[in-house]
Formats: sequence, structure tokens, C-alpha cells
Amino acid sequence: GAVVSQHPSRVICKSGTSVKIECRSLDFQATTMFWYRQFPKKSLMLMATSNEGSKATYEQGVEKDKFLINHASLTLSTLTVTSAHPEDSSFYICSARDLRRAQDGYTFGSGTRLTVV
Amino acid sequence: GENVEQHPSTLSVQEGDSAVIKCTYSDSASNYFPWYKQELGKRPQLIIDIRSNVGEKKDQRIAVTLNKTAKHFSLHITETQPEDSAVYFCAASISTGNQFYFGTGTSLTVIP
Repeated sequence: GAVVSQHPSRVICKSGTSVKIECRSLDFQATTMFWYRQFPKKSLMLMATSNEGSKATYEQGVEKDKFLINHASLTLSTLTVTSAHPEDSSFYICSARDLRRAQDGYTFGSGTRLTVV
Repeated sequence: GENVEQHPSTLSVQEGDSAVIKCTYSDSASNYFPWYKQELGKRPQLIIDIRSNVGEKKDQRIAVTLNKTAKHFSLHITETQPEDSAVYFCAASISTGNQFYFGTGTSLTVIP
């Protein structure tokens, strides 16, 4: 099936710094990728839809200046958490779908555990 | 936007028994309903999905039912096994190409 790679898997950063998370579709092209945030033992909250070649679409309540999304190519979307604060600590996970195998649904990346100290 | 509710939040069953998880959605335009299984520390994995033109779908021990009129859908796991223990999420979206809105999750524990 489709493979989505996400890096880094874990990152610890200081308050005030920025962190970039990468989501790559390894064996397919993805014009659309989705970014989710998951708190411990909680559901996945859709943050934004990343669109190749255009601006991301953010869900209500998600700060676009805080969570910068860039989808510069058909295989890569990045999420940058800017000026990170401890409350940004969370599990961030992306997903994408191989349109050639649409019946397989969306595949998730392995997630990134962000800890802001 | 879409609002998906999921119940129960936790569920414990004896090995071999059945488990049922229920979800409701608010947007009548939603027409694609996947179920994901997430083991601790791992990514969610699609286990089954159903589209609005189908009322029921089955894959071995797993089945999903959909009632469009009532806007609810359910996951049924029969003959549960310890390896079924995980968190299960339902989701709803308008076609498979759009964003998903997830339920709050059900932590299933199968007791050997």
C-alpha cells in the first residue's frame, strides 16, 4: 500500500524556537495532505489541509501564523510550528492518499512527538 | 463543520465476545465513513470503511453498518482477540477526497 513518511519522530525544542516537521509520500504523488494534532488519549484533531502549489486551508481555531504549512511539491508537505510554547507540545501526524489506490483510503505518517521545554 | 460523536469512550470485553462502537455525525452531506485502529504509539491504520450507498460491509470479523437517515454508523468486532485491543476512531467526510473529522475514540480492551 501507499507509504507516508514523517520526520522527525520526536523533537524537543526550547520555547520560542521553531520546529519543522516533514511529511513525504514515498511512492505516490499527493496533491492534498492533511495535518492532525493528537493529545494523549484523545482524538485526532484536523488542523489544516495542505494543497500542493497553493495556500493551506486551516480549520477554525487553528492559527495559520503559528502553524505554517508549505506543500511545495507533490510528495512533500511541511508543518512549521513557529515560536513554540509548551502548550504546543503534542503529537502531530499527517495523512495522504494515493489516488491510484483510492480504495485503500488515507495513509497516516508515523507522527511526530513534539515537546517544548 | 462536521461533528462526529463516538461512544463508548472505553470498552472492555472478554476474549471471544463481540464489541460494538457507535458513532453519529451531523452533516448529511458526509458520505464516506472510515474506521481506524491505533495501537499505542503507532499511526492509525484503516481497518474498514463504508460509503453512503451501502448499508453494511463486512470483512472477516469486522463489520460496519450505516444508517443515513439517523446519521449513525457502527463498528462490530466479533470473536474478539487480545490483539484487537487498541483505540478505534470513526470518521466522516464528504467523499474520500476531502478532510476527515474524527470521533473522540474508543479504547478497547480485550481481556484474555
